[in-house]
Amino acid sequence: GAGVSQTPSNKVTEKGKYVELRCDPISGHTALYWYRQSLGQGPEFLIYFQGTGAADDSGLPNDRFFAVRPEGSVSTLKIQRTERGDSAVYLCASSLTGGSTDTQYFGPGTRLTVL
Amino acid sequence: AQSVAQPEDQVNVAEGNPLTVKCTYSVSGNPYLFWYVQYPNRGLQFLLKYITGDNLVKGSYGFEAEFNKSQTSFHLKKPSALVSDSALYFCAVRTPQTGANNLFFGTGTRLTVIP
Repeated sequence: GAGVSQTPSNKVTEKGKYVELRCDPISGHTALYWYRQSLGQGPEFLIYFQGTGAADDSGLPNDRFFAVRPEGSVSTLKIQRTERGDSAVYLCASSLTGGSTDTQYFGPGTRLTVL
Repeated sequence: AQSVAQPEDQVNVAEGNPLTVKCTYSVSGNPYLFWYVQYPNRGLQFLLKYITGDNLVKGSYGFEAEFNKSQTSFHLKKPSALVSDSALYFCAVRTPQTGANNLFFGTGTRLTVIP
C-alpha cells in the first residue's frame, strides 16, 4: 500500500517568508508525528497528533511553528517569519494507533532551505 | 531524561564480512528500542524493534539486533554485509513510562560496505 507522502520534496524560501509543509499519512493511521532533521543529526521531535488534536507539541521550538490536522488525516506544518536556522529536512511519520509499541513509518521528507 | 548514543560516526566493512553498528541508551524505566536506515534523499525505513521478550530481534534485510540490559546496548548486526547496505543508520528509543510517544534518535552512523 501507499506509504507516508510529503509535499513539496524541496522548498526554497527567503528569510521572513511563510511556508507550509504537507504530510499525507498511511491510510487508517490515527497517529501522526513531525520531526526535524538538521545536517549531520538525527531527527528531533516536533509535534504529535492523535486524531485531530495535538497530543504533544513540546518539541516545537517557538511560536513561529504551528501544525494542524483538521480532519485527522492530512497534516500541515506551518512556519511563520522563517529564519535561516529553520533550514532542515522536515520528516513526517505515522503509526496505527500511537501506542508506545507502535512502529512509526516515515515519509521522504521536505528539504527546507531558507536563504 | 532519555538519550541514545551512537559512538561511531562511520563504520567501514568489506563486503561479505559481518557488520556491527553500535548503540547505547540511557533511560528511566524500560526502553523500547528501534533501528532505522536512511538512504540518500529518502526518509527513514524501519528495520526492527525491541519491545519485550527475546533479547535477539530479527528484522528486515537480514539485520538483527541484541538487547543487552546490563550494558544498556542495542547493537545492530548482520552476518554478511552487502554493498547495498551502505547507508545511514539511526538507533532510537522510546520510554512509555514518561508518557511521551515520540522517538529519541541518536546522531546516526554511516555504514560503508567496500566491494
